[in-house]
Amino acid sequence: DGGITQSPKYLFRKEGQNVTLSCEQNLNHDAMYWYRQDPGQGLRLIYYSQIVNDFQKGDIAEGYSVSREKKESFPLTVTSAQKNPTAFYLCASSFVSGNHQPQHFGDGTRLSIL
Amino acid sequence: GQQVMQIPQYQHVQEGEDFTTYCNSSTTLSNIQWYKQRPGGHPVFLIQLVKSGEVKKQKRLTFQFGEAKKNSSLHITATQTTDVGTYFCAGVWVGSARQLTFGSGTQLTVLP
Repeated sequence: DGGITQSPKYLFRKEGQNVTLSCEQNLNHDAMYWYRQDPGQGLRLIYYSQIVNDFQKGDIAEGYSVSREKKESFPLTVTSAQKNPTAFYLCASSFVSGNHQPQHFGDGTRLSIL
Repeated sequence: GQQVMQIPQYQHVQEGEDFTTYCNSSTTLSNIQWYKQRPGGHPVFLIQLVKSGEVKKQKRLTFQFGEAKKNSSLHITATQTTDVGTYFCAGVWVGSARQLTFGSGTQLTVLP
């Protein structure tokens, strides 16, 4: 079955530690996205990539980094510079077209601070 | 900055009652999408509206895009317990290089 796989489902970060969230898709989508979701809020865009080896900052990129070395993979690193990392992180992917194609989401990773 | 305002934030209805959530933008949208997120789950795409005044139906769900393309609504007729979840709109502004911007969502609770 085609889909998006995020891992791990739960992640705990110590102070001063970088952690990396995995996102893999086998939908042959060109574009991939990372969102952060806090309780009672909508999804806020962290980073997105429309093609391999290229990515763009979203609305809340500070304290995060990404890479896009393969079409199928778009890992997100939450660095120690992100002072409030506790949130639900969602990865999504879509085809690229002029009309903003529907996004398909993974099951998410819940990140907490120890 | 540009935002998509969504109201209400929470809605409790008795099973069988209708439900409506609204999205508003101060500037013209190129298109708007609707997603549903079940409790503990991830957002799932429902529909996309592109044309001014467009109305689309999916069984008990009716989606509308305003004539000025600045607002949209989702109406559910005769809610069922399976409708429980948070409904998000997400829009893209005309002439903007920005990606989808999500509203804050409406959390629907259906009481049996």
